[in-house]
Amino acid sequence: GAVVSQHPSRVICKSGTSVKIECRSLDFQATTMFWYRQFPKQSLMLMATSNEGSKATYEQGVEKDKFLINHASLTLSTLTVTSAHPEDSSFYICSARGTGTNEQYFGPGTRLTVT
Amino acid sequence: QKEVEQNSGPLSVPEGAIASLNCTYSDRGSQSFFWYRQYSGKSPELIMFIYSNGDKEDGRFTAQLNKASQYVSLLIRDSQPSDSATYLCAVNRAGGGNKLTFGTGTQLKVEL
Repeated sequence: GAVVSQHPSRVICKSGTSVKIECRSLDFQATTMFWYRQFPKQSLMLMATSNEGSKATYEQGVEKDKFLINHASLTLSTLTVTSAHPEDSSFYICSARGTGTNEQYFGPGTRLTVT
Repeated sequence: QKEVEQNSGPLSVPEGAIASLNCTYSDRGSQSFFWYRQYSGKSPELIMFIYSNGDKEDGRFTAQLNKASQYVSLLIRDSQPSDSATYLCAVNRAGGGNKLTFGTGTQLKVEL
């Protein structure tokens, strides 16, 4: 149980384009989903928290207009990186938490490269 | 002082030995504690969680929590080369909603 998928696993895009990343909880309903970013040899950095049906809460320093998050259902959240630039190249990982639990389960991550 | 502190390592142990990974946290009101394993280039995998003082065992893994000392540890018995990874300690702080605060991780190397 507690399986989270992400798509795509890897994406290369040109500077200025937008990229959408999907995160799905496959065998449970995710009340809350989280989006993290991880640069090489660094720890996870929480970008935002999203609850189904409400606006995402962004961490300090994360541009909400650049990183658009939608959590339209209890099993799907999307992160759209708008007008991507090379400095946005990173490993983006989502996690999901089920109703009434504290544990977060991570998706396999999406490696974004902006050229 | 960092909210969640871990020794970055690397911690090297021989195959078959016990690996002991330690984590301290600053918020005394923290309530939930998690250990994740992260292989290079992969996302974190939840391996243990503990909410109450004492020990919690699951297979070769034992999590230990001491809230008075603000200390949580992970023991891995009969360490295998496949256990070589970075182990992340994460804490759900009081008043932090459902967010986790992660340590920077300890790199474990299990040598043949």
